[in-house]
Order: sequence, then C-alpha cells, then structure tokens
Amino acid sequence: EQQVQQSPASLVLQEGENAELQCSFSIFTNQVQWFYQRPGGRLVSLLYNPSGTKQSGRLTSTTVIKERRSSLHISSSQITDSGTYLCATRSNMGYKLTFGTGTSLLVDP
Amino acid sequence: EAGVTQSPRYAVLQEGQAVSFWCDPISGHDTLYWYQQPRDQGPQLLVYFRDEAVIDNSQLPSDRFSAVRPKGTNSTLKIQSAKQGDTATYLCASSDRFSNERLFFGHGTKLSVL
Repeated sequence: EQQVQQSPASLVLQEGENAELQCSFSIFTNQVQWFYQRPGGRLVSLLYNPSGTKQSGRLTSTTVIKERRSSLHISSSQITDSGTYLCATRSNMGYKLTFGTGTSLLVDP
Repeated sequence: EAGVTQSPRYAVLQEGQAVSFWCDPISGHDTLYWYQQPRDQGPQLLVYFRDEAVIDNSQLPSDRFSAVRPKGTNSTLKIQSAKQGDTATYLCASSDRFSNERLFFGHGTKLSVL
C-alpha cells in the first residue's frame, strides 16, 4: 500500500520569500502530481511531474524516482499562494492515486 | 472546456438518513474517481470506474455506501444510513487514460452528519 508523507505540515512565510515543500513515498511510482487547494475550493492540479524537473511560472517541481521523493519550490511567494499543497502518487501497478496529508502554507503581507 | 461538476455543494443530515451525490465528469474522460476528504486530511479514494466498470471499491464501506456509473459518464455515490463519521467533503475527479491520467476535480460536496 502506497504511503505518501509531506513536510512540513505547515509553513508561514513573509510575502516574497521562497518555499520548499517535500513529498516522499513508500513505493516506486511513475506518476507524481502536485495539487493546490484553497479553503473551501476545489483541488487544482499544479504540476504533473513523473521525473526530473518541471516548471510552471513560479513553481518548480523536482522528482527523484530512485529516492522516492519529490519537491515543490515556490519562488517569490504571494499572499494568494496561501492554501494547502498536496502531493499525490500512483503506483506503477495501478490507477489509484494516493495523497499525502498536505502542507498548509500561509503567506503574510 | 467544462470542468467536473458535482451536486449538491452542501448537505446536512441527521444520523440514519440517506443522501446521494452526483458527478458529471469532463466529457470524454473514461476514468472517474470518488474521494472522501475529512477535514484537515488528504483525499482518500473510495471507488473508481473505468467506463462503467468498477475497478477498485476496496475502500468503500459496502454496507452503507454504493456507487454507480451506468453509462460510463455520470456517476452517483449514495450513503444509505449516514453516520457522524461520514462527515467530510466528497470529491469527484475524472481523467483520461490517454492524457497521462492527470486528475481534474470537482468542487466537492461538503457533508455534515449531525
């Protein structure tokens, strides 16, 4: 059974600072996806990154499959980045996407 | 492109009552998922379909929960006799096996069982 761990559980930044979110998983996977969720909002896919480095705007994800980990870097954080960031992986053998418990980010002005 | 649509957005029940959640996936997506997300936790898979077939329902409490997707498009998740522990947000997601299986989620139905 795939287990996904995320750290830190919560993070508070000043606007403009960078954030580094970590995700580790127990079983090798060929799919890692990062999601964002604002309180009361829908889960939105940020980056699909099965391996290597992927960038989208101020977001950069780096996945190292052999080490079973992925990271999400947020540069120059903005107040609107506040919310929960979830990492999800799918095992190579199935379709089930397993989520971590998330990192709650608060960006203060 | 229209997203995943769910209804209702909110539901408040007494224990023992029944409730149904409805999901309309993105057109053309063959895979549909139902997740349960308790407050302050990550989503947990309940069941998923490939077209009309159930692929995995091992996490679905079968004595009270049921899910169908009869034509391989819309889906309904039903709770027969709700318990307080069912209080959570119920999320529907869809994906396309030919597009790297990226998931797209609906807004969810927030259920409170009193």
